[in-house]
Amino acid sequence: EDQVTQSPEALRLQEGESSSLNCSYTVSGLRGLFWYRQDPGKGPEFLFTLYSAGEEKEKERLKATLTKKESFLHITAPKPEDSATYLCAVGNRKTSYDKVIFGPGTSLSVIP
Amino acid sequence: DAGVIQSPRHEVTEMGQEVTLRCKPISGHDYLFWYRQTMMRGLELLIYFNNNVPIDDSGMPEDRFSAKMPNASFSTLKIQPSEPRDSAVYFCATQGAENYGYTFGSGTRLTVV
Repeated sequence: EDQVTQSPEALRLQEGESSSLNCSYTVSGLRGLFWYRQDPGKGPEFLFTLYSAGEEKEKERLKATLTKKESFLHITAPKPEDSATYLCAVGNRKTSYDKVIFGPGTSLSVIP
Repeated sequence: DAGVIQSPRHEVTEMGQEVTLRCKPISGHDYLFWYRQTMMRGLELLIYFNNNVPIDDSGMPEDRFSAKMPNASFSTLKIQPSEPRDSAVYFCATQGAENYGYTFGSGTRLTVV
């Protein structure tokens, strides 16, 4: 059965303090791993898609990496506006070509 | 583009009443997904459509839930009768092509009292 877990559940950082969020997954055939950002009261906003181990994507202070079992979202010198819940999701090309499974998310708070 | 538009933004209803949630997808996006989000269970896929055809409704919790997509511009999710455990935020999302990220609407916060 496909599974996605995320850690930590919540993370509190000082402004400028870099860190990483983890997304661990179990799928029989990875179609893609997706990162989203969700602000309170809003729908998730798409950030990145990663397709294969070793791949990296960057956007401003965010950098996503992928291995065969997990993905990391690295946040470099975060600012208060980076505070949000970060969700990862995986698609399985063998069982569910169109849909994805979301992890529970990591709630990030960046303190000025 | 106005993005994915959901209505209403908030809905408070009494147990036993019928509730209809609405979604206007992005023009040209072939996939439409209905999700439910709660603190306990996170984001759960309820049903999704491809070119207006329901593909997978295995996530619909029970017969009280139904969804339709009569055309490419409109979809509804109906709960009849509603129960307090249906209280959640319901999201509609669309996707333009395989492996592209989803575009989510702002959601409908449903409270059943």
